[in-house]
Amino acid sequence: RKEVEQDPGPFNVPEGATVAFNCTYSNSASQSFFWYRQDCRKEPKLLMSVYSSGNEDGRFTAQLNRASQYISLLIRDSKLSDSATYLCVVNIRPVGNQGGKLIFGQGTELSVKP
Amino acid sequence: EPEVTQTPSHQVTQMGQEVILRCVPISNHLYFYWYRQILGQKVEFLVSFYNNEISEKSEIFDDQFSVERPDGSNFTLKIRSTKLEDSAMYFCASSGRGIQYFGPGTRLLVL
Repeated sequence: RKEVEQDPGPFNVPEGATVAFNCTYSNSASQSFFWYRQDCRKEPKLLMSVYSSGNEDGRFTAQLNRASQYISLLIRDSKLSDSATYLCVVNIRPVGNQGGKLIFGQGTELSVKP
Repeated sequence: EPEVTQTPSHQVTQMGQEVILRCVPISNHLYFYWYRQILGQKVEFLVSFYNNEISEKSEIFDDQFSVERPDGSNFTLKIRSTKLEDSAMYFCASSGRGIQYFGPGTRLLVL
């Protein structure tokens, strides 16, 4: 089973649409959770951290369900500039290691069309 | 806004040659990382580094790989004898106690 699993897409949506991405993770030792965004041939950039209480940043809402090991990202009113690959990421930190390591999903490609 | 920088942006090398990829982490960060991304595949963890020693390394990070912090600012990844399958984008990242910030990457092509 993959450590972090996402639907690879692509998701092709019109501008203004609402789009939802889902992700599951297998390692219950995962301690922190993120969505990163990656544009073609560029570095991953943090979009938002994800908390059990849910968090919102403008048009973006993220949710974590630890019991079912499930993470989601909702994008409302999508813009052309939202076209990118969205990476579901978990941080696994062994005891005594404050840094940890990021485990990435394969990414879900989003294409927003005019 | 402080950022992670990496040099070179592109590197072409012959199989069996040594390469050194360089990174300058964000200045007040204490944790440093290398990741790689083979074309079309996911980003994979290679190694983490803290307090001048490796904290953790993946199965990919075998004896051909080494990391070093030669001075107060640089963080390097050395591949001793490159193989064709080492062709990938290599990302450096750094963190304080939380979020990892990535550099723009070095695209390594082994011929």
